[in-house]
Amino acid sequence: AAGVIQSPRHLIKEKRETATLKCYPIPRHDTVYWYQQGPGQDPQFLISFYEKMQSDKGSIPDRFSAQQFSDYHSELNMSSLELGDSALYFCASSLTQGPSPLHFGNGTRLTVT
Amino acid sequence: GENVEQHPSTLSVQEGDSAVIKCTYSDSASNYFPWYKQELGKRPQLIIDIRSNVGEKKDQRIAVTLNKTAKHFSLHITETQPEDSAVYFCAASTTGTASKLTFGTGTRLQVTL
Repeated sequence: AAGVIQSPRHLIKEKRETATLKCYPIPRHDTVYWYQQGPGQDPQFLISFYEKMQSDKGSIPDRFSAQQFSDYHSELNMSSLELGDSALYFCASSLTQGPSPLHFGNGTRLTVT
Repeated sequence: GENVEQHPSTLSVQEGDSAVIKCTYSDSASNYFPWYKQELGKRPQLIIDIRSNVGEKKDQRIAVTLNKTAKHFSLHITETQPEDSAVYFCAASTTGTASKLTFGTGTRLQVTL
């Protein structure tokens, strides 16, 4: 079965650089979520999109932005990177019709040096 | 917003014993409660979920119970095996277009031989 695809798997950036993470949800899933997970931490919700519109916003810094495109893929743009942004970034997708589990991608490990 | 507390943070059991992880949530509107298993550096994987109209659900060695009145739910793993060793996260959400998951802080389960 198709899963959530994230790219790249690993990314190394320097402080103050920018990064773009991509996510391709499971086909026919209409909602995409972004989560940030620091070492030894639980995943923290950043932002979500339903039918290409932002549906909810969590603890996403102003330096970060995201969007969902017409083909339902989503991109998380991160600017002025800081050392503390080093984390695993997960994208997840789901169907909104009724209670529906989130299916997570394999994540992007971002390292800021 | 929703707040999910999870206990214990670490749990060590001998192979064949049972393991119980407990979570409480704060938002009475939450109606969907999944449990995720996460191995080191990998994505969270759904292992079982329960909806608020059900008090208990079982899938082979895994069961989840929900007490809506007390706003707590628990994961029960019987006949534990070494491959059950991982971090387990409970989560809570409402259903709908803003149905983000709020995760508990995780339980590191270690199954020893």
